[in-house]
Amino acid sequence: QKEVEQDPGPLSVPEGAIVSLNCTYSNSAFQYFMWYRQYSRKGPELLMYTYSSGNKEDGRFTAQVDKSSKYISLFIRDSQPSDSATYLCAMSVANTGNQFYFGTGTSLTVIP
Amino acid sequence: EAGVVQSPRYKIIEKKQPVAFWCNPISGHNTLYWYRQNLGQGPELLIRYENEEAVDDSQLPKDRFSAERLKGVDSTLKIQPAELGDSAVYLCASSFGDRGYEQYFGPGTRLTVT
Repeated sequence: QKEVEQDPGPLSVPEGAIVSLNCTYSNSAFQYFMWYRQYSRKGPELLMYTYSSGNKEDGRFTAQVDKSSKYISLFIRDSQPSDSATYLCAMSVANTGNQFYFGTGTSLTVIP
Repeated sequence: EAGVVQSPRYKIIEKKQPVAFWCNPISGHNTLYWYRQNLGQGPELLIRYENEEAVDDSQLPKDRFSAERLKGVDSTLKIQPAELGDSAVYLCASSFGDRGYEQYFGPGTRLTVT
């Protein structure tokens, strides 16, 4: 079993839709939860990070962590064609650069 | 502020040839990471440096891969000899201090081994 599981999609939504992206994990020691966006032929770009459980909001993006269920989500409101990319979740045990465990990424297309 | 710089962006080589990738992290970032990303997968850590010291190289295939970060700034990752299975995107990332959860990635080097 992989440490982090992420549905690869692809996910296709109309412009303006609410998008929900999810990851599950098996290691209860994970404390930091990150979401990255990766455009084609580019490096991953950090969107948000969350420590432990709870919600964090940044503009149209909301990250949720449910440690009891070992489940994290990224919500995108009012999705735009520019949001079309692959979204990667990542997790780590500590803040000191310990190994990131990445999901495989979910490919999202927002149709105008 | 300049981001993480990597070169070359693309490299095509024949198997058994050597290849090297270069990375310059964000100014002031003391931690540097090399990742490998296969198609349709998330990045996997190869090696992590804290300043000049390689503190985690457990995932680096040491028979053919080597890395260095001599002055604690830029870094080079080398493969010798390359194999077909080494075709992937090699990503460099950096972070500052104890903020390892905030890793900033470069654009990557796309390696094709023929």
